[in-house]
Amino acid sequence: KAGVTQTPRYLIKTRGQQVTLSCSPISGHRSVSWYQQTPGQGLQFLFEYFSETQRNKGNFPGRFSGRQFSNSRSEMNVSTLELGDSALYLCASSSGQRLIDGYTFGSGTRLTVV
Amino acid sequence: DAKTTQPNSMESNEEEPVHLPCNHSTISGTDYIHWYRQLPSQGPEYVIHGLTSNVNNRMASLAIAEDRKSSTLILHRATLRDAAVYYCILRGAGGGADGLTFGKGTHLIIQP
Repeated sequence: KAGVTQTPRYLIKTRGQQVTLSCSPISGHRSVSWYQQTPGQGLQFLFEYFSETQRNKGNFPGRFSGRQFSNSRSEMNVSTLELGDSALYLCASSSGQRLIDGYTFGSGTRLTVV
Repeated sequence: DAKTTQPNSMESNEEEPVHLPCNHSTISGTDYIHWYRQLPSQGPEYVIHGLTSNVNNRMASLAIAEDRKSSTLILHRATLRDAAVYYCILRGAGGGADGLTFGKGTHLIIQP
């Protein structure tokens, strides 16, 4: 079956701009989570959506937002980009039903802010 | 989620078994132990999980201490493709759908 698809793979943006990243989960999965990975902070949880509702949120400023559509696809938006937002953004999908369910990650979107 | 402690790095030879330790002394009775790994230039990949009993799957085995304060991920015969960062993560049953809390993980180096 198809895995988790993230687009685009690479992105270069200028400070102050905004960016939208997309994630298509595995068919049938209703939960989509987003993570930021940087060399300094490692992997950090941004937020999780389940059936179009944000179910949990990590400790990130309000410039980071997301949404989920009825087909479970999700988008993540970062407004007023800062240099420190340069990172690998990873999306993960799961059935979202049980905590023992594993997550399947995409390959990520590499965002560079200049 | 409770905290886990892993060695920063480990080195092993190809085709030999690898034992990756994880300490989680503050684990609660309902916390599941999950392992993920991240290969270079890829997203993390689910490896295995367990609660109390030892677990086996096609990728690895998970040995859980009787007091559950530590666990060991066992790769029975390491290959070069197993070189990755391995993360040990606890997931609480009572916490709802919270995200995965990744630590620094163990960087596994496989020598040919």
